[in-house]
Amino acid sequence: DAKTTQPPSMDCAEGRAANLPCNHSTISGNEYVYWYRQIHSQGPQYIIHGLKNNETNEMASLIITEDRKSSTLILPHATLRDTAVYYCIVRFTSGTYKYIFGTGTRLKVLA
Amino acid sequence: GAVVSQHPSRVICKSGTSVKIECRSLDFQATTMFWYRQFPKQSLMLMATSNEGSKATYEQGVEKDKFLINHASLTLSTLTVTSAHPEDSSFYICSAGRGVTGELFFGEGSRLTVL
Repeated sequence: DAKTTQPPSMDCAEGRAANLPCNHSTISGNEYVYWYRQIHSQGPQYIIHGLKNNETNEMASLIITEDRKSSTLILPHATLRDTAVYYCIVRFTSGTYKYIFGTGTRLKVLA
Repeated sequence: GAVVSQHPSRVICKSGTSVKIECRSLDFQATTMFWYRQFPKQSLMLMATSNEGSKATYEQGVEKDKFLINHASLTLSTLTVTSAHPEDSSFYICSAGRGVTGELFFGEGSRLTVL
């Protein structure tokens, strides 16, 4: 089963880009990379997902390396409301595609 | 986006009682729902996978007789914590998968405090 590793914490200045890395070196060819974030005492919020190509939406950009062994979530202009725990998840596709959460990265955006 | 709703958001109960938490997918049908629990400053831990019309599949180490899961319809799954004890106090979160890609949407979570 693929697993992910993320740095436990990061700081980012308000207005700057936040780049959150994730390693998933054992990912298989048909597994997606998903990113969620969790603000204190709330359920996780979907951010973005991708398979091979880089993806962008109104919240963030996802950069996946060519070998797919790592990815980076980019918040282009971080705000204080982006302070949260960010989870990178590789979605298992066997059976019922369950999502297994790793430890995540606690991002603190500083004023 | 899709909405998943949990109820109640907070519940306090006495030790030995049972507590039921509901999880509803409000605008899509979810054949599969997942239940997680989360202790303070820890990640989400998958407890079980709930499939509509069949028995839930529990993760290793999760007591199926203590955490009863029912998925009676395509929009509702329930988690019942039976004979609750203080160590069952936790944040319980449900999620529902939508569509072919199975994109997961999460409820707001339910905080259980057992006295």
